[in-house]
Amino acid sequence: NAGVTQTPKFQVLKTGQSMTLQCAQDMNHEYMSWYRQDPGMGLRLIHYSVGAGITDQGEVPNGYNVSRSTTEDFPLRLLSAAPSQTSVYFCASSLGSTGELFFGEGSRLTVL
Amino acid sequence: QKEVEQDPGPLSVPEGAIVSLNCTYSNSAFQYFMWYRQYSRKGPELLMYTYSSGNKEDGRFTAQVDKSSKYISLFIRDSQPSDSATYLCAMSATAGNNRLAFGKGNQVVVIP
Repeated sequence: NAGVTQTPKFQVLKTGQSMTLQCAQDMNHEYMSWYRQDPGMGLRLIHYSVGAGITDQGEVPNGYNVSRSTTEDFPLRLLSAAPSQTSVYFCASSLGSTGELFFGEGSRLTVL
Repeated sequence: QKEVEQDPGPLSVPEGAIVSLNCTYSNSAFQYFMWYRQYSRKGPELLMYTYSSGNKEDGRFTAQVDKSSKYISLFIRDSQPSDSATYLCAMSATAGNNRLAFGKGNQVVVIP
């Protein structure tokens, strides 16, 4: 029962580099989303998807891209990393957009 | 003013004590209220879910919503060291997960 799996767990980037945070779920959930968690800011929604081929922006989408080619996977791409993107990133999924959110264990990203 | 205010100050209590956590909010349209528990270096997990005003009890946990005061609370009775975690409130005007507003989280430490 893997649930929501995020890779990598830790990553250090230099300013301007690009990378992809991977997220996979094995619960056949339609809804998937990406959050970032920063000290003193709580969780903020970056992008979300209500099904394969459908994505939309959340509260803080700038600097991030997403795509949803399969039900299982929802990668988050940082196009040109900036120090302001240093954060802990969480992927979450739910059965439909109104169900309980299941979170992954997080990916800690540091941008130097 | 943020939509959801949660005093992030750490809270230390002796084992067996009652833990009281609360959040205030400004958006009168919020109808769905949640409490998530997050252990260190893990993703949040849903603890309590309530709709509109009233109380909900689940074992040692009680969630209260007072919409007239725009105030929600979580009580943990007979606290255990395993309750040591960060507790985040979350709320939404719709049932959809893409409009959740999270509080900053309260770190709780239960001392044996």
